[in-house]
Amino acid sequence: EVVMTQSPVTLSVSPGERATLSCRASQSVSSNLAWYQQKPGQAPRLLIYGASTRATGIPARFSGSGSGTEFTLTISSLQSEDFAVYYCQQYNNWPPITFGQGTRLEIK
Amino acid sequence: QVQLVESGGGLVKPGGSLRLSCAASGFSFSDYYMTWIRQAPGKGLEWVSYIGDSGNTIYYADSVKGRFTISRDNAKNSLYLQMNSLRAEDTAVYYCARGGTNIVYWGQGTLVTVSS
Repeated sequence: EVVMTQSPVTLSVSPGERATLSCRASQSVSSNLAWYQQKPGQAPRLLIYGASTRATGIPARFSGSGSGTEFTLTISSLQSEDFAVYYCQQYNNWPPITFGQGTRLEIK
Repeated sequence: QVQLVESGGGLVKPGGSLRLSCAASGFSFSDYYMTWIRQAPGKGLEWVSYIGDSGNTIYYADSVKGRFTISRDNAKNSLYLQMNSLRAEDTAVYYCARGGTNIVYWGQGTLVTVSS
């Protein structure tokens, strides 16, 4: 099973600033990596798939990069609605698909 | 529009059983793989089970193998999860999701609480 590790666990950033979230896989997952956003009481929302392709309707301030074992989600200018928990997920070696433990993005 | 509506959650004692259902609409259900994913309170996401479009391909997480059974009825546009021998650690919100890899569509979730 591929273990996904996200860092940091909590990230405090001011609105308007850039946020950079990291995800590491225990073995190569090629570019088969997705990012999700989850707000309290809601289901996760797909942001990025294929490591760098934005899902339909996702604003351009969200971008993903990386391949192999190291990945990054960048939010270029944080809006109030972006404060949430973010998960990475690999789907290269499945089953099972596996998720990181999440990064909580909070207002500084 | 795509809708996935879970039902069947609730409070059950350890060792008990529960059957979750997911009613799908807004797309051709029989053309899609389907997945169950769960989230324990305050915790992260855990993949539970997957079923292919015809129901012939099925996978389970090791944590539920032998206790949970996934199935689907394409005529009724419905997905199911039969959960037996439930344990406290099965307590979670269970999400029905369309697809098997990166997931665009999720249900709103149904809460399963296993407690005496």
